[in-house]
Amino acid sequence: AQSVAQPEDQVNVAEGNPLTVKCTYSVSGNPYLFWYVQYPNRGLQFLLKYITGDNLVKGSYGFEAEFNKSQTSFHLKKPSALVSDSALYFCAVRDGAGNNRKLIWGLGTSLAVNP
Amino acid sequence: GAVVSQHPSRVICKSGTSVKIECRSLDFQATTMFWYRQFPKQSLMLMATSNEGSKATYEQGVEKDKFLINHASLTLSTLTVTSAHPEDSSFYICSASSFQPYEQYFGPGTRLTVT
Repeated sequence: AQSVAQPEDQVNVAEGNPLTVKCTYSVSGNPYLFWYVQYPNRGLQFLLKYITGDNLVKGSYGFEAEFNKSQTSFHLKKPSALVSDSALYFCAVRDGAGNNRKLIWGLGTSLAVNP
Repeated sequence: GAVVSQHPSRVICKSGTSVKIECRSLDFQATTMFWYRQFPKQSLMLMATSNEGSKATYEQGVEKDKFLINHASLTLSTLTVTSAHPEDSSFYICSASSFQPYEQYFGPGTRLTVT
């Protein structure tokens, strides 16, 4: 069965420090992986995706993520956190082999960046 | 690019009435649209997937007669909550995707309150 795990409900980091938001996944075929961010009372904004190619993917707002096939992980990272990065982050996966575009979502990780 | 709008952003209705929410892809043709429900501080719950010109595919536990979905064109999908009850109060979010790119683009969400 396909699944996504975000093991941390909340991540706290000081402004200027590097941040990591963790995500692991399980799919039967090749994974298509996504990160989205949600600000309060708003819809989700697409940050980045991994479909194929380079394992290190760069996205919006200085975020990047590394696809690790052996560890089935796709952790979101940023070298230097900003207070404005405080939001809810969702990891999602779909099986690239099928035509079903439905995404399987993690439960979300709340990121708090402290000034 | 890839802008999705939702209307209304907020709606308050009385118990027993019906409410229609519109989701539009403004600058691309969305072959597939998704409707989600999100409870406070919780992850997204996929309600249904709709392909243009086809009947929506509902997730298990979602009443198709209560949550009517229409995807009549490549830029518009509607969700109608029929005979709304207070327990239907929630944040409803739509997303849209085309064959490529693979990511879903989200609307800003609709806050429904049923009194």
